[in-house]
Amino acid sequence: TQLLEQSPQFLSIQEGENLTVYCNSSSVFSSLQWYRQEPGEGPVLLVTVVTGGEVKKLKRLTFQFGDARKDSSLHITAAQPGDTGLYLCAGAKAAGNKLTFGGGTRVLVKP
Amino acid sequence: DAGVIQSPRHEVTEMGQEVTLRCKPISGHDYLFWYRQTMMRGLELLIYFNNNVPIDDSGMPEDRFSAKMPNASFSTLKIQPSEPRDSAVYFCASSLGLGLYEQYFGPGTRLTVT
Repeated sequence: TQLLEQSPQFLSIQEGENLTVYCNSSSVFSSLQWYRQEPGEGPVLLVTVVTGGEVKKLKRLTFQFGDARKDSSLHITAAQPGDTGLYLCAGAKAAGNKLTFGGGTRVLVKP
Repeated sequence: DAGVIQSPRHEVTEMGQEVTLRCKPISGHDYLFWYRQTMMRGLELLIYFNNNVPIDDSGMPEDRFSAKMPNASFSTLKIQPSEPRDSAVYFCASSLGLGLYEQYFGPGTRLTVT
């Protein structure tokens, strides 16, 4: 069992549809990050959230950190083929702690 | 900066052989991380260094794995002897700190052990 559980594991949608990816834990995190990984490359940071209830927007991507800082979600509006990739959440339990990564959600956006 | 550099990008070797993966972190980053990624287990932290000193190697699978960081611009991950179950993509990452600091990943080394 992973400390950070991501769901769904795989998501296939048509271009223009919306999608939401979830990252859940029974533990509290001081900060949580979302990374996107494209085939043949390493993960790249999308956003960092640190405050319970925080919402951050990055163009068509909306990130939310749960009030209790145990969960997070990533919502993509009007998905495009360029959004295809592996989305990873990663949390740190305290400021000086290493990151723990979730299992990832593989997103495929078909044109 | 060129980002984190890893070599080789692909490695195919036979069971029992020694494998050495190399990493050059981003200049000025005090932390260096080695990860392994597989479909079954996802992205796992193997070991990380702070100012060239190994801090946490609890993720290293067994004694066959070893990592060194002789200076601030170079690290190696060695597997000796290699086994088929070591087949995975190995990533090196560097950062300015822990916690909420961004980790910058290299392109990875795809290792296949036959």
